Amino acid sequence: SAVISQKPSRDICQRGTSLTIQCQVDSQVTMMFWYRQQPGQSLTLIATANQGSEATYESGFVIDKFPISRPNLTFSTLTVSNMSPEDSSIYLCSVRSGGANQPQHFGDGTRLSIL
Amino acid sequence: GENVEQHPSTLSVQEGDSAVIKCTYSDSASNYFPWYKQELGKRPQLIIDIRSNVGEKKDQRIAVTLNKTAKHFSLHITETQPEDSAVYFCAALGDYKLSFGAGTTVTVRA
Repeated sequence: SAVISQKPSRDICQRGTSLTIQCQVDSQVTMMFWYRQQPGQSLTLIATANQGSEATYESGFVIDKFPISRPNLTFSTLTVSNMSPEDSSIYLCSVRSGGANQPQHFGDGTRLSIL
Repeated sequence: GENVEQHPSTLSVQEGDSAVIKCTYSDSASNYFPWYKQELGKRPQLIIDIRSNVGEKKDQRIAVTLNKTAKHFSLHITETQPEDSAVYFCAALGDYKLSFGAGTTVTVRA
């Protein structure tokens, strides 16, 4: 499966600031997704990163708060803007190659703490 | 959208016994059902998956069954070992994206 590199692996940030998380894949992939996982919880889809166009956001997530870029088939970024303590969570990049019912894999995640 | 329910939320088994986790889904059009294992502080790792044209799939000590009529699927782990201790998530593919269950924390007692 594709090797997914996500950075930073963790960060501690001040409220009101923004942080950009990068996801790099070692091969071209069809789909790239961003998830949030709060402590002890399941995986919640934030958005689907679309190459060359605006991301598709899930209910409860908006572009102003979570701007996403995907300039090519191997790279995407997620920015968490104007952070508050409620944004403290793990953010995970996930990728899929081929058709919709193909395996989907996750990066190691970014553990974000907001003071 | 797709809704996935997972039971139980916690499961404690004696080493060597079997563990079974059950999930139900709502969208009859869903056709792909993966299972992920997440160890503490690690990424979710795909351990097995099943597609709707198959009723059962096995990989060593892990097996998954699918009942499309009843819209439920299950993970079976036989001869459990301490390294099987983790959180397990089921998922169903609705539209083009995965919906995840709430997770099952499995503890294997030595």
